[in-house]
Amino acid sequence: EDKVVQSPLSLVVHEGDTVTLNCSYEVTNFRSLLWYKQEKKAPTFLFMLTSSGIEKKSGRLSSILDKKELSSILNITATQTGDSAIYLCAVATRGSGGGADGLTFGKGTHLIIQP
Amino acid sequence: DGGITQSPKYLFRKEGQNVTLSCEQNLNHDAMYWYRQDPGQGLRLIYYSQIVNDFQKGDIAEGYSVSREKKESFPLTVTSAQKNPTAFYLCASSPSRGGGSYGYTFGSGTRLTVV
Repeated sequence: EDKVVQSPLSLVVHEGDTVTLNCSYEVTNFRSLLWYKQEKKAPTFLFMLTSSGIEKKSGRLSSILDKKELSSILNITATQTGDSAIYLCAVATRGSGGGADGLTFGKGTHLIIQP
Repeated sequence: DGGITQSPKYLFRKEGQNVTLSCEQNLNHDAMYWYRQDPGQGLRLIYYSQIVNDFQKGDIAEGYSVSREKKESFPLTVTSAQKNPTAFYLCASSPSRGGGSYGYTFGSGTRLTVV
């Protein structure tokens, strides 16, 4: 059974701190790893990672994949109260017939940024 | 604007009642999905559909039913057989199974409460 594990499950930091969120996976036929941010309702797409060692960056957020360690990290620097959200990690797998199987989600990291 | 519309935002169900959650997309996506989100549980797949008139069970399909009569629409019925239906329900779509290049597009969700 495919599995995605995120840590920590919750984290409280002060504005301006840097945070690192972790995601590890055990899946068959890995295709890609995705990060989403969920504030109140719909998760919104952050990054998709397919290759090891290539950092994806968007403003203060960055992410990198390590396929040897079967893991990924999401970094947020100079955190702001608007970064408070649940951060979801998901892994896409390739189906046995060559098509894709869909996404398996982790439980999420609930990040709270205190002013 | 293209997107996914879920309705209603809030729904209350009495014991023994069936209720139907609506999900409509105008993104011309082939694949659609229903997820259930409970606190601390992440997203769990209920059903998915890759094409019209075809759908597959996900990890927690018991007590739920779906239909896919039109490409744009993927309604979810929560039947009386679902013993613990109180949860947040998210609908998503993607160009193809597995999320294509940008993962899934999510609706804003329906919060279902049993009264």
